[in-house]
Amino acid sequence: EAGVAQSPRYKIIEKRQSVAFWCNPISGHATLYWYQQILGQGPKLLIQFQNNGVVDDSQLPKDRFSAERLKGVDSTLKIQPAKLEDSAVYLCASSLGDRDGYTFGSGTRLTVV
Amino acid sequence: GEDVEQSLFLSVREGDSSVINCTYTDSSSTYLYWYKQEPGAGLQLLTYIFSNMDMKQDQRLTVLLNKKDKHLSLRIADTQTGDSAIYFCAERAGSARQLTFGSGTQLTVLP
Repeated sequence: EAGVAQSPRYKIIEKRQSVAFWCNPISGHATLYWYQQILGQGPKLLIQFQNNGVVDDSQLPKDRFSAERLKGVDSTLKIQPAKLEDSAVYLCASSLGDRDGYTFGSGTRLTVV
Repeated sequence: GEDVEQSLFLSVREGDSSVINCTYTDSSSTYLYWYKQEPGAGLQLLTYIFSNMDMKQDQRLTVLLNKKDKHLSLRIADTQTGDSAIYFCAERAGSARQLTFGSGTQLTVLP
């Protein structure tokens, strides 16, 4: 089966600019996650979707981050405006249900300068 | 709250066994996972263990779980240079729907 697709692979932006990341999960996977991985740390959950509904966004900095999964398939994560501390790898993962193992995409490496 | 701790670095010689350790705090953890991350790649699920098990073996990988001490370990037998990567421990607590990850252990395999 095809894996979790993410784009772009790399992005460099200046602080205060906007950026968007895209994720296409494995076909049929109802649950989609966005994680932020800062260099030298483990991934930290930003938001979890079940189909097109948000299950948990308690750790999403909502003043600058937003995410959507309108048709319950693809998802986009946006940062507006970006800060230097947003430099990280943004990982998308999907699973059949919220009790199943995750499959991760390769991530988008964001550098804010 | 949930907290997962790992040592940062481990170096072993090729052919030796590697043991990567992890401690967690949430006693209601139901599943515990080991993921591998190679440079520039996402996380790859290696193996997992259910909390009512003490041990799970899968080819060169052995997972040991000590629920009393909340300690999880991953043993890699006959470690190869291709095993060099960052290894993450993760837990799913009873009511949580997401995984909580440790900071990762960088495994370096020396020839």
